[in-house]
Amino acid sequence: GESVGLHLPTLSVQEGDNSIINCAYSNSASDYFIWYKQESGKGPQFIIDIRSNMDKRQGQRVTVLLNKTVKHLSLQIAATQPGDSAVYFCADSGTGGGNKLTFGTGTQLKVEL
Amino acid sequence: GAGVSQSPSNKVTEKGKDVELRCDPISGHTALYWYRQSLGQGLEFLIYFQGNSAPDKSGLPSDRFSAERTGGSVSTLTIQRTQQEDSAVYLCASSLRQSTDTQYFGPGTRLTVL
Repeated sequence: GESVGLHLPTLSVQEGDNSIINCAYSNSASDYFIWYKQESGKGPQFIIDIRSNMDKRQGQRVTVLLNKTVKHLSLQIAATQPGDSAVYFCADSGTGGGNKLTFGTGTQLKVEL
Repeated sequence: GAGVSQSPSNKVTEKGKDVELRCDPISGHTALYWYRQSLGQGLEFLIYFQGNSAPDKSGLPSDRFSAERTGGSVSTLTIQRTQQEDSAVYLCASSLRQSTDTQYFGPGTRLTVL
């Protein structure tokens, strides 16, 4: 069945360094991927998305890379700040857009001062 | 409204009682979703609404769970005869239409079943 998973449960980085959070997905037909940030006690907040016809997309301080060959997704955060500390989830909407998101278990990003 | 709102923010109930969780989506969003998040876990899809109809209920874990949406806006998730394993954060999201429109989440309702 379809699954989305993350390689590392916790990532610690120094303030100012770049962070890379990885995600693997299993459904090769998936065509839409999203990264969410969730702070403690809050709902997930949309960060950036990418469609399967792209391999890279940039936002403000964030870049998402998609490697369809190995079914791998990554989120890069430049110049990581304390406010970036949160749990990051990748999600997959399956094929044809889909009506539901399948989430990975999340990676806890800890920014050390 | 400016964002998705949910109420109550916290709910503590006794095993066997029924609970109702409410979601107010972003104005104009026709698609609405319910997810469940257990402690330290990712989000688990429960149900999807397009307007007032629910074309995808595949994630509801048992017949104790039901949801409705009225007027294409507010949605209520009802859990009957609550069990301790129902304890989780219940999150609602809405999107403009469906498919690949971005889903915006509310703050969630933390349900604790004693």
